[in-house]
Amino acid sequence: GENVEQHPSTLSVQEGDSAVIKCTYSDSASNYFPWYKQELGKRPQLIIDIRSNVGEKKDQRIAVTLNKTAKHFSLHITETQPEDSAVYFCAATSPGNTGNQFYFGTGTSLTVIP
Amino acid sequence: DSGVTQTPKHLITATGQRVTLRCSPRSGDLSVYWYQQSLDQGLQFLIHYYNGEERAKGNILERFSAQQFPDLHSELNLSSLELGDSALYFCASSVDGGSGNQPQHFGDGTRLSIL
Repeated sequence: GENVEQHPSTLSVQEGDSAVIKCTYSDSASNYFPWYKQELGKRPQLIIDIRSNVGEKKDQRIAVTLNKTAKHFSLHITETQPEDSAVYFCAATSPGNTGNQFYFGTGTSLTVIP
Repeated sequence: DSGVTQTPKHLITATGQRVTLRCSPRSGDLSVYWYQQSLDQGLQFLIHYYNGEERAKGNILERFSAQQFPDLHSELNLSSLELGDSALYFCASSVDGGSGNQPQHFGDGTRLSIL
């Protein structure tokens, strides 16, 4: 099955700086890569996603890049704000008769220091 | 509000007991997924149902079982509970049944505490 690795596990940045979180995956058939933000005690919320036919996607301060050859994808947050502090999870999934099981990374705890 | 409803929000019980967690997916979603999240841990996939049929199993213990009903709501049954079963249990739903390129939307979770 798919194996998703996520780095770093913790990240601290000054407010206004950029944050980058990286994930690698193992299954070349994976075709969908969502990112979720989870605040303490709350549900994971989808913040951005990218499909394998696209190399980059941006939504305001958040962007995701995908390198299919190297099998890695990254989340970029610019102009970070204290409310960006949360745990971020990447995931990968591939089509199959068994349904699209998401393989999640282990999470990155982001702290934005005011 | 994600549109995914989980009940109850909190559950406190004792070791050896059995509980049932309930999930109603977003309108139109046929897939339901269950996840376990222990303290400061990641999301452990338990099981996936699509339109009433089991589609995939993850790290689900034999003491745990699930089903999806004709109205598409799902229940996760946990029996012979142990202290280590204390966790947040999330349900997620999706329109996807196998194409592999649709997001999952999470409910607010059920916090299970075993005393």
